[in-house]
Amino acid sequence: DSGVTQTPKHLITATGQRVTLRCSPRSGDLSVYWYQQSLDQGLQFLIQYYNGEERAKGNILERFSAQQFPDLHSELNLSSLELGDSALYFCASGTELPTGELFFGEGSRLTVL
Amino acid sequence: AQSVAQPEDQVNVAEGNPLTVKCTYSVSGNPYLFWYVQYPNRGLQFLLKYITGDNLVKGSYGFEAEFNKSQTSFHLKKPSALVSDSALYFCAVRGEGTNFNKFYFGSGTKLNVKP
Repeated sequence: DSGVTQTPKHLITATGQRVTLRCSPRSGDLSVYWYQQSLDQGLQFLIQYYNGEERAKGNILERFSAQQFPDLHSELNLSSLELGDSALYFCASGTELPTGELFFGEGSRLTVL
Repeated sequence: AQSVAQPEDQVNVAEGNPLTVKCTYSVSGNPYLFWYVQYPNRGLQFLLKYITGDNLVKGSYGFEAEFNKSQTSFHLKKPSALVSDSALYFCAVRGEGTNFNKFYFGSGTKLNVKP
């Protein structure tokens, strides 16, 4: 158990809809990262937050947004969903130590029909 | 720009034989390198990391990795493979400079260990 909690584990929705994925980081971790893993693709970095502020941005679509709340949990909002958004979405947390590794949640599997 | 490459999509090995999963990196300074394992329908689990010091790093589940600066490689190894080691393995490097907050992952290598 990594200590990172993601909900929901599975989500099925239709094109054009909007969903919210939630992540609670490990106790004490201030950084939250979001990654997308599609079939036959590796991990795509979406965005990182540190203590409520956006720190780094990757290949995140304009239809997607995220935020980190004062209690450090984070939410990833996906809107105007398309079939191609079907993927596993991972949250990871870590410290700001340069030597620190990331700890991943079990992921949220999104299926867009 | 910093990056890692995993040249093999898949590695097949017989149980009991040694295994190697390859990773090469590209950074301009000293690298912070990581290996993760992903079992089906699970999140990534941290195996080991190289920060500095000994070139041979030992990690979880009997895995180790050899850092080679001249070859810019960080290959994952295990002396004797188990069927339960079958999984997807990712190498990663931490970014530099303004990209320090990013982790760059390889495309993953699927390890198949046959009985």
